Amino acid sequence: GAGVSQSPSNKVTEKGKDVELRCDPISGHTALYWYRQSLGQGLEFLIYFQGNSAPDKSGLPSDRFSAERTGGSVSTLTIQRTQQEDSAVYLCASSLDWAGGTGANVLTFGAGSRLTVL
Amino acid sequence: GEDVEQSLFLSVREGDSSVINCTYTDSSSTYLYWYKQEPGAGLQLLTYIFSNMDMKQDQRLTVLLNKKDKHLSLRIADTQTGDSAIYFCAENSNYQLIWGAGTKLIIKP
Repeated sequence: GAGVSQSPSNKVTEKGKDVELRCDPISGHTALYWYRQSLGQGLEFLIYFQGNSAPDKSGLPSDRFSAERTGGSVSTLTIQRTQQEDSAVYLCASSLDWAGGTGANVLTFGAGSRLTVL
Repeated sequence: GEDVEQSLFLSVREGDSSVINCTYTDSSSTYLYWYKQEPGAGLQLLTYIFSNMDMKQDQRLTVLLNKKDKHLSLRIADTQTGDSAIYFCAENSNYQLIWGAGTKLIIKP
């Protein structure tokens, strides 16, 4: 697509429920990132995909968080047994293949999914 | 470790110039970036600068890089109300971008 699409744009859920957040990156972008942004805060890195594999999952806060990417395109971030501290905006970004640092790694962001856990 | 620091707020009068400052720590960073985030939106790339440059200008935006001091600045000339946003500085580290906490630009009439 023309841009990075994220859905849902807003999600309100009850504590303990599972949620799935979806990211549809720009066509042809092999790198995909998930970030979390809490109210008034900066960006917290969650996970990085290169194609379908995730060489860096170091930012996932707990084993309740998981993500997958299929077909080198759409990615899903799943949060199990949600807690109130999971409330935040979850941002997805994609970029062209990061060619070993020979070019600028320009990330294009989606508008984010705002998660509220009651 | 890697760290990018910015002031949290900057207040300027409409029509004045805004200067947003950033310091970074990784001297091997090859690119430095400025992104803009408007309320309720994702981040949008404003500009980036290659580390062997010391200045880049694009219309009302001027980026200055002092590599010796690891200091990056973004100047917005003739600041308008539409410039109200949070501005993020970032440096690259392999496939990652290391982000500052963002500077909220407040425009006074």
